[in-house]
Amino acid sequence: ETGVTQSPTHLIKTRGQQVTLRCSSQSGHNTVSWYQQALGQGPQFIFQYYREEENGRGNFPPRFSGLQFPNYSSELNVNALELDDSALYLCASSWDTGELFFGEGSRLTVL
Amino acid sequence: AQSVTQPDIHITVSEGASLELRCNYSYGATPYLFWYVQSPGQGLQLLLKYFSGDTLVQGIKGFEAEFKRSQSSFNLRKPSVHWSDAAEYFCAVGEYGGATNKLIFGTGTLLAVQP
Repeated sequence: ETGVTQSPTHLIKTRGQQVTLRCSSQSGHNTVSWYQQALGQGPQFIFQYYREEENGRGNFPPRFSGLQFPNYSSELNVNALELDDSALYLCASSWDTGELFFGEGSRLTVL
Repeated sequence: AQSVTQPDIHITVSEGASLELRCNYSYGATPYLFWYVQSPGQGLQLLLKYFSGDTLVQGIKGFEAEFKRSQSSFNLRKPSVHWSDAAEYFCAVGEYGGATNKLIFGTGTLLAVQP
């Protein structure tokens, strides 16, 4: 148990829809990162939020966006879903640039 | 660009046998290196990490890894594998810039353990 919780655990959407995934950070952590893990692949960095601002982004289009709230919880939003967005989405929290603690992920299927 | 290569997609070992999972990295500076394990349907659990100092790093669950700068490698080892070690293993290099810390992962090695 890392103390990082994600919801929902599984969801199914259709192409073109929008989805919001949620993450509750471990107590005391002020930084949240999101990763996408496609089937058979390693996780890929989407972006990171520090004190409610995005401070790093991977090679993902603008339809991937996020928020971090004052309590350091976070949301990942994906608009105009595509089939290739089907993946496990992992949230990780940390204190500043310290060790990342991962949640169990939200598995998104796009039909 | 930084990258991590795990040459073995799938490995099968017998319970009680020794294990070595390979990891090679490409990174311009001194790397921060990690090994994570992922059980089916689970998130990532940190096994061990290397930042500096002793190149042989001890981790949880009896795992160790050795950093070899000359070979750009960070191989994971365990002297005696247990059935519960069956999982997917990911090597990663940490990229730190300003207030950002991100991990670049390899594609993983799936470990099966035969009784």
